[in-house]
Amino acid sequence: DAGITQSPRHKVTETGTPVTLRCHQTENHRYMYWYRQDPGHGLRLIHYSYGVKDTDKGEVSDGYSVSRSKTEDFLLTLESATSSQTSVYFCAIRGAGTGNNEQFFGPGTRLTVL
Amino acid sequence: QQQVKQSPQSLIVQKGGISIINCAYENTAFDYFPWYQQFPGKGPALLIAIRPDVSEKKEGRFTISFNKSAKQFSLHIMDSQPGDSATYFCAALNDYKLSFGAGTTVTVRA
Repeated sequence: DAGITQSPRHKVTETGTPVTLRCHQTENHRYMYWYRQDPGHGLRLIHYSYGVKDTDKGEVSDGYSVSRSKTEDFLLTLESATSSQTSVYFCAIRGAGTGNNEQFFGPGTRLTVL
Repeated sequence: QQQVKQSPQSLIVQKGGISIINCAYENTAFDYFPWYQQFPGKGPALLIAIRPDVSEKKEGRFTISFNKSAKQFSLHIMDSQPGDSATYFCAALNDYKLSFGAGTTVTVRA
């Protein structure tokens, strides 16, 4: 599991409420990613981080924000959840070392927005 | 718009048979092509990966074939086993970011 935990693992929320998902890693990897997984779309990148306070958008970033105040934690926030954000969310880290392109995924968070 | 196109969406194979999954891409800036295996309720796990300067890579029963000129790559699962039943995703990397195919659900019948 590459030392990645996600919390919560399951969440049901109402439309319009704020939601924060947490990704925690234990190995001081510089790069961290948030993806969402939906049937027929595979995994799509929401946001990623390349260091503390350094973040950038992915292909489906609208409606999401992220923060990384310390190396081990990467937070994904839905400011006002919508039903279209019902999905499974995965955090990933990039392996250590120059030229290492491997990404390792956490166990996922299943989010349902009613 | 999906940058990596994957087919088929699903396949069924008999135990001992060969499973073949195909992917195609357009962006020539992609420089690393991994395959992930995912079981229900779990996160994707890296299975095997290839760089574009190599035409084939084999690890155990899993082989990637890569055709740079055609911008296509494929995963072959030899001697398929019931434990290989999972969803497989191809992906392509550019600038530290992965683009994924839509996934293929493989079912191996005993």
